[in-house]
Amino acid sequence: DTAVSQTPKYLVTQMGNDKSIKCEQNLGHDTMYWYKQDSKKFLKIMFSYNNKELIINETVPNRFSPKSPDKAHLNLHINSLELGDSAVYFCASSHAGGTEAFFGQGTRLTVV
Amino acid sequence: GDSVTQMEGPVTLSEEAFLTINCTYTATGYPSLFWYVQYPGEGLQLLLKATKADDKGSNKGFEATYRKETTSFHLEKGSVQVSDSAVYFCALYNYGQNFVFGPGTRLSVLP
Repeated sequence: DTAVSQTPKYLVTQMGNDKSIKCEQNLGHDTMYWYKQDSKKFLKIMFSYNNKELIINETVPNRFSPKSPDKAHLNLHINSLELGDSAVYFCASSHAGGTEAFFGQGTRLTVV
Repeated sequence: GDSVTQMEGPVTLSEEAFLTINCTYTATGYPSLFWYVQYPGEGLQLLLKATKADDKGSNKGFEATYRKETTSFHLEKGSVQVSDSAVYFCALYNYGQNFVFGPGTRLSVLP
């Protein structure tokens, strides 16, 4: 069973479109994260969320918004996509104590 | 805020060579420290971790020791294989905050 799964794995879309990336974890974790990995492999935290609190990295444009329908899901919505949004987006989860973060396979977003 | 610094890559080694990838951190309190590995086209996988000073994490022949006095967590392996070629990330976690990653070090092992 996949611990953290993301869909889709690849996403190609035009500038100005709105898209979503889904993430689900079956580990019973209470904290989930979204990271952006740029072309140089640098990982930047975008959001972290548990059932009590959403923490937003203040450098993330408000075109990006996380939506959590329940504890096992944290989806990422992106409005008005721009060329600079092209990257690989990783979902991750952990227990609140941060003993280990489990990562999804990533979603490669290409904006054309 | 907390931060992690890693040696710049890429690192290219011959098979069976000794590997060291340096990692230092800046953080308040007593963070947990991690090494993650990313193979091409895949997500990050935990390689090893240490949760307190002087702890040694080890896995698959890789080792790293949590050195609080030097704020370091260097990754070592005595004899690398071609299959070790990947990007390696040093990371830290402080309770109630996020996992903070270093910039990654690409390792290429040649046969």
